Amino acid sequence: TQLLEQSPQFLSIQEGENLTVYCNSSSVFSSLQWYRQEPGEGPVLLVTVVTGGEVKKLKRLTFQFGDARKDSSLHITAAQPGDTGLYLCAGEAMNRDDKIIFGKGTRLHILP
Amino acid sequence: NAGVMQNPRHLVRRRGQEARLRCSPMKGHSHVYWYRQLPEEGLKFMVYLQKENIIDESGMPKERFSAEFPKEGPSILRIQQVVRGDSAAYFCASSPVAETQYFGPGTRLLVL
Repeated sequence: TQLLEQSPQFLSIQEGENLTVYCNSSSVFSSLQWYRQEPGEGPVLLVTVVTGGEVKKLKRLTFQFGDARKDSSLHITAAQPGDTGLYLCAGEAMNRDDKIIFGKGTRLHILP
Repeated sequence: NAGVMQNPRHLVRRRGQEARLRCSPMKGHSHVYWYRQLPEEGLKFMVYLQKENIIDESGMPKERFSAEFPKEGPSILRIQQVVRGDSAAYFCASSPVAETQYFGPGTRLLVL
């Protein structure tokens, strides 16, 4: 059973469009991280959210942690080709000895 | 402050040989994690170590795989008698305490 479900698995959109990707679970997380991974590289941390309902912005990226701390979303405004990559969410599940668990990721491709 | 360093970046081995993957954590980080990633997949946890101690090895195959993080020097992930199924990208991450992890660039292992 996948503890962190990411959707969609794949997303291909035109430059300039907006998009939202999701990270969902039935478990409560004490914190949740979003990473972006480009081909041939390691994941790069984008943000950590800790408080239920928290919203963090990173330029055109908006991250939200669900009120119940079971889910999170990443919204990208006016997507650019440089946003292309694999977006991974990861979290410390409170009922799993605080082990950090990764979702399988959303593979995003922005068409110029 | 240098990031997490991994070497080699690429490693080619024939079946039956040994593979040794090295990870130098960020300065001040005493927690190291190893992950494996197959093409088009997310990250699969292997092992979590602190200096001289294995904290969680629940993701490590029972045979042929071992990991260490000595008092001095890098963390080593060792794979004995490699098989083709071991071909993957292996990522190391470090953290100052058991929280947000910072990833290295990975070692891509190819077993011929």
